[in-house]
Amino acid sequence: NAGVTQTPKFQVLKTGQSMTLQCAQDMNHEYMSWYRQDPGMGLRLIHYSVGAGITDQGEVPNGYNVSRSTTEDFPLRLLSAAPSQTSVYFCASRETVNSPLHFGNGTRLTVT
Amino acid sequence: AQSVTQLGSHVSVSEGALVLLRCNYSSSVPPYLFWYVQYPNQGLQLLLKYTSAATLVKGINGFEAEFKKSETSFHLTKPSAHMSDAAEYFCAVSGGSGGYQKVTFGTGTKLQVIP
Repeated sequence: NAGVTQTPKFQVLKTGQSMTLQCAQDMNHEYMSWYRQDPGMGLRLIHYSVGAGITDQGEVPNGYNVSRSTTEDFPLRLLSAAPSQTSVYFCASRETVNSPLHFGNGTRLTVT
Repeated sequence: AQSVTQLGSHVSVSEGALVLLRCNYSSSVPPYLFWYVQYPNQGLQLLLKYTSAATLVKGINGFEAEFKKSETSFHLTKPSAHMSDAAEYFCAVSGGSGGYQKVTFGTGTKLQVIP
């Protein structure tokens, strides 16, 4: 039982490049989320999903796209990377609305 | 939308002293509340959760938190700090006008334990 798996662990991009951060969970959780963590700002919600085919915006969605074609996978796409997107990104899942979040180990992204 | 306020971005305590980390929330409906801990260069781990059962919640590593509806607070305490408690702590809420589908985090409190 791997839990929530994020890849890659580290990534360096140049401004304007695109990439996809992968997230997979093997717990059959309906709810999945993407957060970014920046010093002094805690975790801010980017996008979330309440089930396959259903996604919605969080607090800071600009510059990011998501899709949820299966229960297991919830990739995060950066369409045109900007230095302001330098951050640590966490994917998380939970079973129900009153369940705790299970976090992946994070992806540290640097945009130069 | 629901929100979480953590007072004090940095808290220092002596080893063996009481740990008190403050969390206040806003929610128009009964919230679900969580405390998470993050050790350096690691992900977040659940410490404890409140989901409308007992108002005093006990978690891992000797931590506990009390839900006080009248004060809209969910402060985290530990009677005696240990060096291994040095980490960043996050309070989180689900519920309120933002609905239960989202989980909103506070800005975090870094705990330093002085030997």
